[in-house]
Amino acid sequence: AQKVTQAQTEISVVEKEDVTLDCVYETRDTTYYLFWYKQPPSGELVFLIRRNSFDEQNEISGRYSWNFQKSTSSFNFTITASQVVDSAVYFCAFIPEDNTDKLIFGTGTRLQVFP
Amino acid sequence: NAGVTQTPKFRVLKTGQSMTLLCAQDMNHEYMYWYRQDPGMGLRLIHYSVGEGTTAKGEVPDGYNVSRLKKQNFLLGLESAAPSQTSVYFCASSYKVVYRGNGYTFGSGTRLTVV
Repeated sequence: AQKVTQAQTEISVVEKEDVTLDCVYETRDTTYYLFWYKQPPSGELVFLIRRNSFDEQNEISGRYSWNFQKSTSSFNFTITASQVVDSAVYFCAFIPEDNTDKLIFGTGTRLQVFP
Repeated sequence: NAGVTQTPKFRVLKTGQSMTLLCAQDMNHEYMYWYRQDPGMGLRLIHYSVGEGTTAKGEVPDGYNVSRLKKQNFLLGLESAAPSQTSVYFCASSYKVVYRGNGYTFGSGTRLTVV
């Protein structure tokens, strides 16, 4: 069965700390896509990144970085020098290439960054 | 701004009442989805549509009905609301090739309380 696991329910850090959010997925598909979304306190869902299964190159965008390791079926998200504005719920999601209908979401990790 | 618009944003219903949530998108997306979000459970798919005039059940379809008479609109109906349907409802849309681009575009959500 296809599944996305975000084992960390809630993480609290102090501003300027680095924090890593874990995402582990299960699939037998060889081609698939992984996503991260952010849900700030205002409630909307904001796209952060899409990663293809055939591209294991890590990606950095400002303070955000993503580490994709196919060997361990993980797609972890690191925030460097966290800020209060990073406080949100973060969702990891997965879709296989041949699935024409739906993203499968993890249960989310709530990140609280304290000043 | 282009995107996904959900109405209403908030609603309180009494048990047994009915209501319809409206989702409209102006991006010419083929696919549309209704999710519900509950604490600790992430986003769960209720129903989805892969084109005008089509609908399909998702993970948690019981107690809901949907219709997609026009490509840009996707309606979610509750015929007889129950307290278990208290949740935040998100509509989303995507191109047929879901994994390209940002995956889904989400609406801002509808917070529904059934008393």
